[in-house]
Amino acid sequence: DAKTTQPPSMDCAEGRAANLPCNHSTISGNEYVYWYRQIHSQGPQYIIHGLKNNETNEMASLIITEDRKSSTLILPHATLRDTAVYYCIVSRPPSNTGKLIFGQGTTLQVKP
Amino acid sequence: ETGVTQSPTHLIKTRGQQVTLRCSSQSGHNTVSWYQQALGQGPQFIFQYYREEENGRGNFPPRFSGLQFPNYSSELNVNALELDDSALYLCASTPDAAADLYGYTFGSGTRLTVV
Repeated sequence: DAKTTQPPSMDCAEGRAANLPCNHSTISGNEYVYWYRQIHSQGPQYIIHGLKNNETNEMASLIITEDRKSSTLILPHATLRDTAVYYCIVSRPPSNTGKLIFGQGTTLQVKP
Repeated sequence: ETGVTQSPTHLIKTRGQQVTLRCSSQSGHNTVSWYQQALGQGPQFIFQYYREEENGRGNFPPRFSGLQFPNYSSELNVNALELDDSALYLCASTPDAAADLYGYTFGSGTRLTVV
């Protein structure tokens, strides 16, 4: 079973920030938080990951709470192409035989 | 542009038949994983290979088997196909040297329909 809890769906206005929450209260010390998204009919796409510090890349920002029991993925300026299912996953890294256990994810609908 | 290529893109098989799905990863991607995604569900982990050896397996029966080759390609074989095997099969790989810096790169998948 997935070790994360996400809202099933969210809406966001185009050009606004999309904030996607994730709860992972049973995360272990050696597990990272990964975010992937899947646009219809395509394979999942890696977005970002982190251990305990906040992370930012060209796609998004990841905010992890100090107790690591929850996190938020932030898309700073959502576009229509960001409409997708977003998966929050906790996992050991690949070098430690990590495997991705996907839940149902959050369906983000970006509206004009 | 994805660095993982899967073939074929679509496939129709009859119940009881065997099928082989193929995946070609980027150079240096020594870790490859296979996932099954039923319609409306998240991907489910089948197994993972590292340097041609299986190093993790999900809750799938032995009729699901795999191989990884030195040229960064891999195969998923499914014997005695059942109707419930109809799904999108995804291959994912990650570079060996920097495996923890990057996530997995997924292919676009093979859509298998069992009739």
